[in-house]
Amino acid sequence: EIVLTQSPGTLSLSTGQTATLSCRASQSISRNYFAWYQQKPGQAPRLLIYGASSRATGIPDRFSGSGSGTDFTLTISRLETEDFAVYLCQQYGTSPPTFGLGTRVEIK
Amino acid sequence: EVQLVESGGGLVKPGGSLRLSCVGSGFSFSSSGMVWVRQAPGKGLEWVSSLARDSSHIYYADSLKGRFTISRDNAKNSLYLQMDSLRDDDTAVYYCARIPVAGQWYFDLWGRGTLVTVSS
Repeated sequence: EIVLTQSPGTLSLSTGQTATLSCRASQSISRNYFAWYQQKPGQAPRLLIYGASSRATGIPDRFSGSGSGTDFTLTISRLETEDFAVYLCQQYGTSPPTFGLGTRVEIK
Repeated sequence: EVQLVESGGGLVKPGGSLRLSCVGSGFSFSSSGMVWVRQAPGKGLEWVSSLARDSSHIYYADSLKGRFTISRDNAKNSLYLQMDSLRDDDTAVYYCARIPVAGQWYFDLWGRGTLVTVSS
């Protein structure tokens, strides 16, 4: 199965700054079938990005996804208080779908 | 309100069984593929099983080795996961989620999860 490695493990930033999160796959992701989720403690994951760069319904344009092949990036511009959470990447181009372990974005 | 609500979790001894349920509302449940995903304490998300909207296609994680069975009842807007021969490492929060596009296994709607604890 495809292993997803997210970096950094933790990102300490202030509101208003830009967060850049990376996810590297152990093999190329077909058709850019790649997603990002936000998860807060005790809550279910929330879909942010699918197809590597398409925002899900209701997701503000501060969130953007990019990348292809084995390297994908989630960028969060102008961080707001509610953005401090864990972010997970997922590939669904090859079965089984797999997830990264997450990057925690915390308030500096 | 568009939502998924899981139930049926709890404490079970190793070797025991449990049946999880997930009820969908606010959307056309019968038009959506569905999935179970679990998250062990302090660990990442792990895909468990997927089921097509009409139950015509069913998929399981290899690690389950035939112990789990996914099913649905569209008349009741419900998804199920029958878990048998449970082991300690099945302890996790189990989420049901919706597959918005057939054949593309990203998940756009999640329930809040139900905790399954396997312990003697």
